[in-house]
Amino acid sequence: EVQLVESGGGLVQPGGSLRLSCAASGFTFSSYEMNWVRQAPGKGLEWVSYISSSVSNIHYAESVKGRFTISRDNAKNSLYLQMNSLRAEDTAVYYCARGKGSGTYGVFDYWGQGTLVTVSS
Amino acid sequence: DIQMTQSPSSLSASVGDRVTFTCRASQSISSYLNWYQQKPGKAPKLLIYAASSLQSGVPSRFSGSGSGTDFTLTISSLQPEDFATYYCQQSYSTSFMYTFGQGTKLEIK
Repeated sequence: EVQLVESGGGLVQPGGSLRLSCAASGFTFSSYEMNWVRQAPGKGLEWVSYISSSVSNIHYAESVKGRFTISRDNAKNSLYLQMNSLRAEDTAVYYCARGKGSGTYGVFDYWGQGTLVTVSS
Repeated sequence: DIQMTQSPSSLSASVGDRVTFTCRASQSISSYLNWYQQKPGKAPKLLIYAASSLQSGVPSRFSGSGSGTDFTLTISSLQPEDFATYYCQQSYSTSFMYTFGQGTKLEIK
């Protein structure tokens, strides 16, 4: 069974940093692209970042470019999101989502349960 | 960036009804359109990808159609577990700027 479990969320002050983790199991993690998607309270979904299976290709939404860094450790079946210079508008539930693969870029077939990041003083 | 617009923003229907959701892209996205279902407090769930392909395990009462800029998601006969918010998402962008629509909330009439 595919499982994605996020952790690392919490309350942080504006300008602070946080590192999110996503532990994957039930599939060959190193073969799949991964993404972070966020959802502000009561709002819709926003794609945040993408990383290819081999780490050769990385992309970010304009809203987080230069502040967030996505990474992965295929040996540990884990995905990460380092978030720096956090702003109030970064407050959201952050989901890790697996890319479906088989040439279907941008299709998210499995999602974690999410971790809440609150940026507030 | 490609903008996705869903209509209506909310919809009331009864169990057994046929329901259609609409999604429009700001430019042609071919068939690179996906649909997700989200229930309160839960992660989104992939229903349809590539405009009309049913994700494994999703009931056949869900179907998708469209290409270019206009797309629809149809539920042929509403079940109690279908009341949720539905999002469309484009995966056409070569810059990986995948964007979602604002969602359509399906409520019980």
